[in-house]
Amino acid sequence: EPEVTQTPSHQVTQMGQEVILRCVPISNHLYFYWYRQILGQKVEFLVSFYNNEISEKSEIFDDQFSVERPDGSNFTLKIRSTKLEDSAMYFCASRSDGNTIYFGEGSWLTVV
Amino acid sequence: DAKTTQPPSMDCAEGRAANLPCNHSTISGNEYVYWYRQIHSQGPQYIIHGLKNNETNEMASLIITEDRKSSTLILPHATLRDTAVYYCIVRLLWAGGSYIPTFGRGTSLIVHP
Repeated sequence: EPEVTQTPSHQVTQMGQEVILRCVPISNHLYFYWYRQILGQKVEFLVSFYNNEISEKSEIFDDQFSVERPDGSNFTLKIRSTKLEDSAMYFCASRSDGNTIYFGEGSWLTVV
Repeated sequence: DAKTTQPPSMDCAEGRAANLPCNHSTISGNEYVYWYRQIHSQGPQYIIHGLKNNETNEMASLIITEDRKSSTLILPHATLRDTAVYYCIVRLLWAGGSYIPTFGRGTSLIVHP
């Protein structure tokens, strides 16, 4: 069964450093998402991406965040200068033209 | 999208049916009911969805009331691996690129031996 894959599974970074989280969505999917989940909190929407541009973003997704689809397969989330409060599990998701969204297993980011 | 209400927690004995309710009294005619679950520290996983008819797949059954104001997700023979947070989400039939699934607190289901 096709799946969304994410790397790295866990990353520890110093505050102020740049981080890139990578995702390979399911190959024929058209819509891509990033969510995050702070430990013990709800799953929160960050950004959606379609046709090579951001279609929606939340208040969380400020200028420190950016997304890119550099080639036909990868979808990345960059945090330019990490803060302690960016520590969370980050989930990538994708869907085709249909209804169901598929999530990856997540990348756990720890900012120290 | 319509708001949903779920109990914060439930428990179930292994091998028994787990029935998870969801209230979506403001649902409109062109909105589907979706269920996802999140096993600890993993990504949300799609389970099932329906519009007005009852649905069944290899994971679960979904029973939607005739007035569509509530639904029940049924795990017919719960196992310990079904321990997870279950989310009921209502969404438009077609929302294009602007569809953003919104996760609430869901129901934390604990399956015990």
